[in-house]
Amino acid sequence: QVQLVQSGAEVKKPGASVKVSCKASGYTFSDYYIHWVRQAPGQGLEWMGRINPNNGGTHSAQKFRGRVTMTRDTSISTVYMEVNRLISDDTAVYYCATVDLDDTSGRAGFDYWGQGTLVAVSS
Amino acid sequence: SYELSQPPSVSVSPGQTASITCSGEKLGDKYVCWYQQKPGQSPVMVIHEDTKRPSGIPERFSGSNSGNTATLIISGTQAMDEADYYCQAWDSSTDNYVFGTGTKVTVL
Repeated sequence: QVQLVQSGAEVKKPGASVKVSCKASGYTFSDYYIHWVRQAPGQGLEWMGRINPNNGGTHSAQKFRGRVTMTRDTSISTVYMEVNRLISDDTAVYYCATVDLDDTSGRAGFDYWGQGTLVAVSS
Repeated sequence: SYELSQPPSVSVSPGQTASITCSGEKLGDKYVCWYQQKPGQSPVMVIHEDTKRPSGIPERFSGSNSGNTATLIISGTQAMDEADYYCQAWDSSTDNYVFGTGTKVTVL
């Protein structure tokens, strides 16, 4: 069965960086984009960006460009997301989720989700 | 940027029908997906491509999308359906994915 297993919770100070991992299994790694979605405490879902597992190409929401880096290691079917220059507003649960690589119309949506990684930013 | 709006809350009696709306400019021209999220859990897709249910999602969940509004219908609502629900669409002009503001469904 498809599984996305994320790394554990992190506590960081403002200005620091955090790197969250998402290990995929149960499907062909190259068949799905991996997206990142975050959720601040008591708030809604916010899309951050995606990575193409085949070529490493990325696309992110404007507000995260320059501060968020997404990479992948195909040898271990793992995707990473690094957020730099953390501020308190970055405190959130970060999720990875899959989207079918063949979906060019937005019809498919996020079909599998990781368990979430809590990142707390506090001085 | 593209925005999707949802009512903050919807209340429904057990066995009755809950209707959750999602509004956005020309939303009917896009595909809409819906997600259910229970406290402390990851979201689960309940509708994709406006009207289609993923495998394992009960038939009481259905969707529609036309004009500027998409709607998630929960027929015969059960206590287990109490959760937050989010709509989501893809904005082709920016290649960005957008989530609605979320609706808390309470089963009274």
